[in-house]
Amino acid sequence: AQKVTQAQTEISVVEKEDVTLDCVYETRDTTYYLFWYKQPPSGELVFLIRRNSFDEQNEISGRYSWNFQKSTSSFNFTITASQVVDSAVYFCALSEATSGTYKYIFGTGTRLKVLA
Amino acid sequence: DADVTQTPRNRITKTGKRIMLECSQTKGHDRMYWYRQDPGLGLRLIYYSFDVKDINKGEISDGYSVSRQAQAKFSLSLESAIPNQTALYFCATSDLQTGTDTQYFGPGTRLTVL
Repeated sequence: AQKVTQAQTEISVVEKEDVTLDCVYETRDTTYYLFWYKQPPSGELVFLIRRNSFDEQNEISGRYSWNFQKSTSSFNFTITASQVVDSAVYFCALSEATSGTYKYIFGTGTRLKVLA
Repeated sequence: DADVTQTPRNRITKTGKRIMLECSQTKGHDRMYWYRQDPGLGLRLIYYSFDVKDINKGEISDGYSVSRQAQAKFSLSLESAIPNQTALYFCATSDLQTGTDTQYFGPGTRLTVL
């Protein structure tokens, strides 16, 4: 069965610190997709990244980077030199392609507080 | 203008009332979804639709119904609202034709049932 675990409920860091948000997933499918979304205090959900199961290359986008490791079923998200504007709840999600439905399973989210 | 819009953005209602939440999209996507978000539980899928003639239940469909009036419109109804349906509701869209099926979310509707 699908499952996404975000064990860190809340993390607080001081501005300019680096922070890593953990995401561990479970799936029996060989073809699947992983996602990260950001939910700022205003409430909307903002898409950050999508990664498919065949692409284990790490990705960097500005201060954001993602580390996908199939061996540990993890898709961790690192923010370098955090800023107050990074304060938000971050969700990791899994979608299995072989089921044909592409339904998402979300983790419970990690609340990141960046203190000035 | 936003690609995915939801109306109303906030709603307070009483137990037993019928409520409809509406979602419209201009992204041209074929797939639409309704989720609810509760503190500590993340997002859970209520219903999803892959085209106008296709409606499917998600993991928590009891107490809800949906209507796909057009490709661009997907509404969620609470026939008789109850307090534990107080939550933040999100509509999302995706387009499998692009090969990614990435879901894009509306701004959310905060519903309070008294």
